[in-house]
Formats: sequence, C-alpha cells, structure tokens
Amino acid sequence: GAVVSQHPSRVICKSGTSVKIECRSLDFQATTMFWYRQFPKQSLMLMATSNEGSKATYEQGVEKDKFLINHASLTLSTLTVTSAHPEDSSFYICSQSQGTSYEQYFGPGTRLTVT
Amino acid sequence: AQTVTQSQPEMSVQEAETVTLSCTYDTSENNYYLFWYKQPPSRQMILVIRQEAYKQQNATENRFSVNFQKAAKSFSLKISDSQLGDTAMYFCAFIPKGGAQKLVFGQGTRLTINP
Repeated sequence: GAVVSQHPSRVICKSGTSVKIECRSLDFQATTMFWYRQFPKQSLMLMATSNEGSKATYEQGVEKDKFLINHASLTLSTLTVTSAHPEDSSFYICSQSQGTSYEQYFGPGTRLTVT
Repeated sequence: AQTVTQSQPEMSVQEAETVTLSCTYDTSENNYYLFWYKQPPSRQMILVIRQEAYKQQNATENRFSVNFQKAAKSFSLKISDSQLGDTAMYFCAFIPKGGAQKLVFGQGTRLTINP
C-alpha cells in the first residue's frame, strides 16, 4: 500500500496561535487527499477533501476559515488550524486515495493539544 | 445518504478463538466498495480487507475473511485464530464507485484479545 507521512506527530500550542500539519505522499502522486478529525473513542469524521491545484471541499459544519487546507503539489497537503482554541484539540489524520482502487491509505496522525 | 452501522461497541475474546464483527450499511447505490480498517493503539489506520460489491465471492486475507450479504446489506468480518496483535478498533467503511470517493465509516468496534 501507499506510504503517507504526517508531521508533526504531536504538537502543543497556546490558545490563539496557528498550527500547520503536513501530510506527504511518499510514493504516489496524489491529486486528492482527505483530512479527518477523530475524537477519543470515536470514529473518523471527514473534514475536507483536498484537491491539488484547487480549493478544498469542506464538509458541512467545518469552518473553512479556521481549518485552512493547501494542496500545492501532488505530494503535499497542509492543514492549518488558525487561532486555535482548546476545543480544537483532537487527533487529525490525512489520507490519500489511489484512483481506481478506492482504497485510502492513512497517515499516522497528528495529536494537537491546545492549552 | 449512505450510513454504516456497527452494533457492537466492544468485544473481547481469548487468544486463538474466532471472532466475528458485524457491520450493516444503507445505500441506494448498486456498485460500491466495502472495507474493514484496523486502528491499533498506535492509532495508525491499517486496511485489513476490501470487498467489491459486484463480486459475489467473499474476500479473504489470511486469517481475515468477510461474509458479504449484498441483499441484506451486511458485511461482517471474521478473524480466525485471533492473536494478541489483533487488539484494536475495527472500522467498517463504505465508498460508492465513482463520485467524490468519500469513505463513510461506522462507529467502530473495540476488539480485545485476551491471553
């Protein structure tokens, strides 16, 4: 399967600051990547679909001005949590889909803690 | 809208036993894919097995097999000869063929394999 990396794996930031999470596709050029959020003991919630070279598509209820997504190249998508607040603390996971196979390969996730 | 339901929040079995995790889904699509993903304590999502809806034969991957009942919209996962390393959250997921390639996840089943 595909290899997807995320950086950082853990980040602690102060309330009001912004945090950038990187998602890299290491062995495949991904035109589409996905960003998920996962609360403890819950399932994954899709936040947005990241499209290379165009604007991301956000799911209903996700604030696009708060969760900025940039997919500037076929191997890198970034999620920036702007003006973070404690309620933004969560586990964020990215994934990529390899076209016709429909399988998604996931990054290892980033644990964000906002103090 | 598509939905995926996992009715067993938690399950626990002894090592070497066989365990079956349930999953039902609701869709009006005729062509789609179903997946089981595993999320161990590391929280890395790992693809366990996938099934294409138009294939009647149940998918198998070593100790993992599925019972796909299309008419009943049921997709259960059987783990044979369970091992301690199978301890994880298991998520059933659905994706329609074509379209936006968004995965729809179930709520998850926490499986514990006891020594």
